[in-house]
Amino acid sequence: DGGITQSPKYLFRKEGQNVTLSCEQNLNHDAMYWYRQDPGQGLRLIYYSQIVNDFQKGDIAEGYSVSREKKESFPLTVTSAQKNPTAFYLCASSLKAGAYEQYFGPGTRLTVT
Amino acid sequence: EDKVVQSPLSLVVHEGDTVTLNCSYEVTNFRSLLWYKQEKKAPTFLFMLTSSGIEKKSGRLSSILDKKELFSILNITATQTGDSAVYLCAVGSSGTYKYIFGTGTRLKVLA
Repeated sequence: DGGITQSPKYLFRKEGQNVTLSCEQNLNHDAMYWYRQDPGQGLRLIYYSQIVNDFQKGDIAEGYSVSREKKESFPLTVTSAQKNPTAFYLCASSLKAGAYEQYFGPGTRLTVT
Repeated sequence: EDKVVQSPLSLVVHEGDTVTLNCSYEVTNFRSLLWYKQEKKAPTFLFMLTSSGIEKKSGRLSSILDKKELFSILNITATQTGDSAVYLCAVGSSGTYKYIFGTGTRLKVLA
C-alpha cells in the first residue's frame, strides 16, 4: 500500500521544547516538502528537498530544521526558536521537484502551551 | 510578489446544484496549477493544468485554465454531500520548485 505517513497525529508540547515530526513515503519519490496550515491561510512552505542529502528553505523556515538522510524519510524539527509553533503540519512528496503533483500525508496537529 | 486568490471564500449549495470555484493568480513565469480537495486532513489531488493541458475532466469535476486572463475554474456538476470540503488551488512558476497556495474555498453541500 503506497503512500505517505505522518506521525503522530496529535502532539502536545510545552514551550521551550524541541519536537520532531515524522514523515515517511514509500512512493519512491525524489522530492519531499513540509507545509504549515493555519486557519484562514493557505499552506505555507517550510522546507523542501529535491533529492536525498539536499534540502532548501521555503518561505517560513525560521525556527525549523530538517534532514534528508534517506529517500523515504524527511523529518521536521520544530525548535524553541519558532515563535508560533501551534499549527497543522502537512508533509508532501512528488516524483520530482517542479511541475509534478504533490501527494500529501494525513498531517500532524501540534499544540504548544 | 507572487499570489494566488481563490473565490468565493465559502459557498453553501443544495444537492444537485452546479458550482464554479475560481482561482486567479499572479506569478512570474507560470509553470503549472494544481487543484486539491481537503476534507478533514490530507489534501487530495484532483487536477494539474499546464500550458499543454488547459482542460481536465474527471466524472462530475472539470477544470479549465485561462493563461491569458490568469485564472482557473473548478466546476462541480450535480453536487453531492460528499463534495463538501475545502478546495485548494496552488500555482507553481518556472525557476522554483515551490507552489503558492490560495486560502481555499469552503464548499458545503446540503442534502
